[in-house]
Amino acid sequence: GQNIDQPTEMTATEGAIVQINCTYQTSGFNGLFWYQQHAGEAPTFLSYNVLDGLEEKGRFSSFLSRSKGYSYLLLKELQMKDSASYLCAVFDSNYQLIWGAGTKLIIKP
Amino acid sequence: IAGITQAPTSQILAAGRRMTLRCTQDMRHNAMYWYRQDLGLGLRLIHYSNTAGTTGKGEVPDGYSVSRANTDDFPLTLASAVPSQTSVYFCASSDESGTSGGNTIDTQYFGPGTRLTVL
Repeated sequence: GQNIDQPTEMTATEGAIVQINCTYQTSGFNGLFWYQQHAGEAPTFLSYNVLDGLEEKGRFSSFLSRSKGYSYLLLKELQMKDSASYLCAVFDSNYQLIWGAGTKLIIKP
Repeated sequence: IAGITQAPTSQILAAGRRMTLRCTQDMRHNAMYWYRQDLGLGLRLIHYSNTAGTTGKGEVPDGYSVSRANTDDFPLTLASAVPSQTSVYFCASSDESGTSGGNTIDTQYFGPGTRLTVL
């Protein structure tokens, strides 16, 4: 079957750095997405990786290793507004998105 | 209208009733999707449409139907609601339904969601 694993919850301190991991086992791979979802709101796009390596976008970076079936989202200089769930999703061989359950990130002052 | 809208925002429904969730986008995206999101589970695809006039089944299609008469609208119908369909429903759209690896794969953009409770 297809499976995407992420930690259920993480806690970090304002101003610090946090890394959210995602491992996947899917039928084929055509790219990996990270989305942010604030409580009660819709998911919003953060990043996309299809090749191995690091993609940087301001305070957020996303890394992919296809051989290991592994990705992480790195958030720097954490702000209170970063408190949200972070969803990992993989495009499988049929170009359908398979979603992880999400990681709830709690930021403490 | 800007982006994707969904209606209603929330609804409480008696079991056995018929219900249509509405979704409209003004971005002229070809592909549209319906997901449900339940606590502790990832988003699960119910139905999708790659272009107007075509639809397909996702991971959890049973009990739901869709239509795509035009580019902008993609309603989701529950013919006879059951309590297990209590969930938050998200509609999404994207320009295309995937390209080859290494090329840009269009991002899915989500509507605000409909919170449905079936009693």
